[in-house]
Amino acid sequence: AIQLTQSPSSLSASVGDRVTITCRAGQVIYNSALAWYQQRPGKPPKLLIYDASTLEFGVPSRFSGSGSGTHFTLTISSLQPEDFAVYYCQHFSSYPLTFGPGTTVDVK
Amino acid sequence: QFLLVQSGGEVKKPGASVKVSCKASDYTFTSYAFSWLRQAPGQGLEWMGWINTYSGETNYAQKFQGRVFLTTDRFTRTAYMELRSLTSDDTAVYYCARDKNTGSAFFDYWGQGTQVTVSS
Repeated sequence: AIQLTQSPSSLSASVGDRVTITCRAGQVIYNSALAWYQQRPGKPPKLLIYDASTLEFGVPSRFSGSGSGTHFTLTISSLQPEDFAVYYCQHFSSYPLTFGPGTTVDVK
Repeated sequence: QFLLVQSGGEVKKPGASVKVSCKASDYTFTSYAFSWLRQAPGQGLEWMGWINTYSGETNYAQKFQGRVFLTTDRFTRTAYMELRSLTSDDTAVYYCARDKNTGSAFFDYWGQGTQVTVSS
């Protein structure tokens, strides 16, 4: 199984800040088969980005994704109040599907 | 808008089985594959398995092989996840989720989650 790690595990930020979260894979993820999700407390995850850099329909353009191979990033260009949440990466290049452990973005 | 509605919370004793349902809002149900995932309290997301609603083909995470069974009923637009031989480690919120595209196992629609508690 492909192991995914995320850094940082948590971060504190303010509204308007630029936030970057990293997802690293234990082996190459082919075809940029990586997705990012946002999860708020008590809610299911919400798809933000897929294919490493494709913005899901309806997701604000302040979210962006990049990367390939084993190194991927999610960037929020200007943090908004509704963005305080947990963020997960997930690969879908092979089974079993796996997720990163999550990055918590909270209020500074 | 496409919706997935899951069955209500369950409390089970160790050794028992649980069956969770996930009903889709429209007949596009048969055009997609669905996965089941779970999230233990305060923990991350764990993929359990996948089912193609059209062919019935399944793919299970090795961890759950022989203990989880995914089925679908195309006529009622419902997917089911049965987990057997429950232990306290199976206490979690269980989610169904729809593959966004055929052959791409990432998820654009999720059920609301079903709390399963295993306790003696």
